[in-house]
Amino acid sequence: GQNIDQPTEMTATEGAIVQINCTYQTSGFNGLFWYQQHAGEAPTFLSYNVLDGLEEKGRFSSFLSRSKGYSYLLLKELQMKDSASYLCAVRDTASGGSYIPTFGRGTSLIVHP
Amino acid sequence: DVKVTQSSRYLVKRTGEKVFLECVQDMDHENMFWYRQDPGLGLRLIYFSYDVKMKEKGDIPEGYSVSREKKERFSLILESASTNQTSMYLCGSREGVNSNQPQHFGDGTRLSIL
Repeated sequence: GQNIDQPTEMTATEGAIVQINCTYQTSGFNGLFWYQQHAGEAPTFLSYNVLDGLEEKGRFSSFLSRSKGYSYLLLKELQMKDSASYLCAVRDTASGGSYIPTFGRGTSLIVHP
Repeated sequence: DVKVTQSSRYLVKRTGEKVFLECVQDMDHENMFWYRQDPGLGLRLIYFSYDVKMKEKGDIPEGYSVSREKKERFSLILESASTNQTSMYLCGSREGVNSNQPQHFGDGTRLSIL
């Protein structure tokens, strides 16, 4: 199984940049997902990393270092609507071949004016 | 766009009742999942299904069962509801069996057991 760790809560100012970290321990890493979840809504897919490096999608970027068991989600030019929970999920080849990701506990991001 | 629909947004039931939570997806996805989401614990996998009539236990299957008679529908059953099953239940689907495609989720059912 995996041990996935994210900060519980972060706060940031509108217009700023914030980095949300995720560390994991797994025996057979096979990809990492980031999801965004607004209160009372479904999680929605943000990004997927399986190789080392940075993936950029507009204001959001995700980075992966497999050797360090580490990923981060970078949010630029923060907007009030970015206030949400951010979920890190790791795929593991050891999960009986199902490749179903295990989720971290999520990071609640509060953006204030 | 993928649409995952859960039958109820809010549900209140009594201890000992048999409870059915329904989930339907419209994208012909092979994989479907049920999670529960609790404060401080994140999403925990209850059951998943590779295909029609196929089911596998997740991390916390105790007290639950599932049914997948049709590809588009995955039902979660609480055989005898207990207060510790009060939670937010999320259903999801994904294309492919061992896919790197993301999961798509419904809006959730907030279930209260009194």
